Parts: sequence; C-alpha cells; structure tokens
Amino acid sequence: AQSVAQPEDQVNVAEGNPLTVKCTYSVSGNPYLFWYVQYPNRGLQFLLKYITGDNLVKGSYGFEAEFNKSQTSFHLKKPSALVSDSALYFCAVRGFSGGYQKVTFGTGTKLQVIP
Amino acid sequence: DTEVTQTPKHLVMGMTNKKSLKCEQHMGHRAMYWYKQKAKKPPELMFVYSYEKLSINESVPSRFSPECPNSSLLNLHLHALQPEDSALYLCASSHDPGQTMNTEAFFGQGTRLTVV
Repeated sequence: AQSVAQPEDQVNVAEGNPLTVKCTYSVSGNPYLFWYVQYPNRGLQFLLKYITGDNLVKGSYGFEAEFNKSQTSFHLKKPSALVSDSALYFCAVRGFSGGYQKVTFGTGTKLQVIP
Repeated sequence: DTEVTQTPKHLVMGMTNKKSLKCEQHMGHRAMYWYKQKAKKPPELMFVYSYEKLSINESVPSRFSPECPNSSLLNLHLHALQPEDSALYLCASSHDPGQTMNTEAFFGQGTRLTVV
C-alpha cells in the first residue's frame, strides 16, 4: 500500500527566511509525487510535481522540491518566505492501489510565516 | 480556462432535505472526482468518473449519489444526510483517466456543507 508522511503538523518561519516542508513517501514502482497548497475555505492548488528527470523540481510561486530516492523524500522548499505563503500544504503520491490508480495525500502541514 | 467551478459555495440543509452539488470544467478533462474534506484533514476520495462512467466508489453511503451528465459536468446528489456529513466537498478533474500517472488534478473551491 502506498503512503505519504508529513511529520510536522505546523512549520513556523520568519518572513524572508528559507522554508522547508517535509514529506516522505512509500510506493511500489516509480513514484509520482505532487505538492498542493490550500488556502482557508478554498480548494487545493497544484504547486509542482516530480515524474522523472532532475531531482530538483521548480514550481509555482517560487517553490521548489527536492526528490531524494534513497531517503524516499520529496521536501518542499522556498528560498525566501512570504507572509502570503501561509497556508496548508499537502504532499501526495500517485500509484496503483487495489488495482486502480489512486492519489494518496499526506495529513498536511500548516505553514505560518511570521512578519 | 483552467478552472473547476463548484456551486453553491455554501449549503445548509436539514437531514430530510434533498440537495445537489454541481461541478463544471471546460478543460477537456475526462476524469472527474468528488472528495470530502474535514477540517485540517486531507481530502478523502469519494468517487471517480472516467469518460463519464463511474469507475471508483470508495464505499460511500448511498445517501450520496453522483451523476455525470456529460464530459464537463459532475453532480453530487444528497439525501437524508447526517450532521457528521458536514464538510468541504471538493470536485477535481484531471486530463487522463487512463494509465498515465503524471497528470495533476485541478480542484474547485469546494462547497462548504452544513447538515443541521
């Protein structure tokens, strides 16, 4: 069975500092990994994905993620945090489960950027 | 147009009411999804439609009834709901419901449902 772990319920970072939101995964076969962001009372917005190729993936709003196969991790990063980055972030893995494609989300990490 | 539109944004219904949630996309996506999301929790998959046919039902109670009238529309019919069904209901779509797994999903803003 596939799974995603986001070990931190909340991450606090000062505005202008670099941020990291952690994600580890478990899946059979090649991993297809995604990051989504959710603002209050809104749907999820796609940020970036890893399919194959470069381990450093660049996405929307200045975010990037580093894929590490040996550590089965896909951490989300940004060099300089903005207050407007404060939101709930979900890591997700897509794979086959029970005979069909399924997307499994992590439990989410609340990012709080402090002015 | 890269949007998934959901209506209504908010809905309050009694336990004996019948109501419907609507979802629309014009991106040509052939996979559409309903998710349920409780506060501060990840979305939980309810249904998947692939080429307008129901392909996945994640053991959802029959008081939730999905419908896909055409490739752009997805409805969720609600009847005799319970207070614990109160949640944010999210619709999503993606390009390819087939075997490729590298496509991301586009989500609507959701319908905030309260059952009283």
